[in-house]
Amino acid sequence: EPEVTQTPSHQVTQMGQEVILRCVPISNHLYFYWYRQILGQKVEFLVSFYNNEISEKSEIFDDQFSVERPDGSNFTLKIRSTKLEDSAMYFCASSGSNIQYFGAGTRLSVL
Amino acid sequence: GESVGLHLPTLSVQEGDNSIINCAYSNSASDYFIWYKQESGKGPQFIIDIRSNMDKRQGQRVTVLLNKTVKHLSLQIAATQPGDSAVYFCAENPSYKLIFGSGTRLLVRP
Repeated sequence: EPEVTQTPSHQVTQMGQEVILRCVPISNHLYFYWYRQILGQKVEFLVSFYNNEISEKSEIFDDQFSVERPDGSNFTLKIRSTKLEDSAMYFCASSGSNIQYFGAGTRLSVL
Repeated sequence: GESVGLHLPTLSVQEGDNSIINCAYSNSASDYFIWYKQESGKGPQFIIDIRSNMDKRQGQRVTVLLNKTVKHLSLQIAATQPGDSAVYFCAENPSYKLIFGSGTRLLVRP
């Protein structure tokens, strides 16, 4: 069964460092998303991406965040200068129609 | 001890009983709703969806009910099994994003 894959599963970084979280969406999907989940809280929308551009973004997705689809298979989330409060699970999702399918997530720990 | 933020409502049911998980949504413009299941350490997993032109939709062992008048969703799980233990989120889809509710933790007692 096709699935969304994310790497790494756990990323530890120092405050102020740049991180790139990687995702391989389901191959025939056209819509891509990033969400985050702070420990014990609900899943929060960050950004949606379609046709090589951002469709919608939340207030969380400020200038420190960017997304890219560098090739035909990868979808990345970059955080330029990480802050302690960026520590969370980051989930990538993709959809072909309405249903969004999620990856297992990357746990980002900012020290 | 309990971590800050872990204040999920919890539903504890006996194995074999039916479970009903409730959710209120906020956006009257939402026309599509989804239930997701999240097991520990994993991403949300799609369970069932419903459009606003429907009141009820059934899947395998699960039923979703939608009451647009009071902006309320429920997920019914028949014959709850230990593998159903997880956090359940409802989500609304008003545009290019999902807006998740705060979740309910389902515990299944053997």
